[in-house]
Amino acid sequence: DAMVIQNPRYQVTQFGKPVTLSCSQTLNHNVMYWYQQKSSQAPKLLFHYYDKDFNNEADTPDNFQSRRPNTSFCFLDIRSPGLGDAAMYLCATSRAAGGQDTQYFGPGTRLTVL
Amino acid sequence: GQNIDQPTEMTATEGAIVQINCTYQTSGFNGLFWYQQHAGEAPTFLSYNVLDGLEEKGRFSSFLSRSKGYSYLLLKELQMKDSASYLCAVTDSNYQLIWGAGTKLIIKP
Repeated sequence: DAMVIQNPRYQVTQFGKPVTLSCSQTLNHNVMYWYQQKSSQAPKLLFHYYDKDFNNEADTPDNFQSRRPNTSFCFLDIRSPGLGDAAMYLCATSRAAGGQDTQYFGPGTRLTVL
Repeated sequence: GQNIDQPTEMTATEGAIVQINCTYQTSGFNGLFWYQQHAGEAPTFLSYNVLDGLEEKGRFSSFLSRSKGYSYLLLKELQMKDSASYLCAVTDSNYQLIWGAGTKLIIKP
């Protein structure tokens, strides 16, 4: 089945210790998104790629970086996690950009910062 | 600013009908989505409305009034598995997707 896969599902890191979250998709979609979602809050878009074209949201901290080495994979790097970065991180894909296409989400990675 | 308003939490009884409202104030409008999100899981797509009116899909229906900046999601014949958060999201004139915080729906037997 075509899908969006995130690894790991649960990640524990220490304050200030870099961590990388991964996402892969078999949908062959052009657009990949990274969201941060805290409990009972709306998903917050961090950045998205249209193919290799990277789009950073204005309020995304520099602590968050992303890489998309090919169509299938996208990574979220948190360089120095703080306690406030503990959240669910959601990867999503869509065929087209522009917010009018359905987004397909992976299961998410829940990040705990100790 | 851009804003999506939904009730924080609703409770309903198994087998009943519930309507979850969403009002939005955005810079323009290019469509509205409803997503379902079970606790600890990712959102899954339920419906998309871009024209006024009712879209029916099985037990779920979604309604849109663009002039009122208003949508609702109607769930019929509620089942325990419908306990989840329901997120409303609007595409604005810049084609950015603006998300609501979601409505947590609790189903009681």
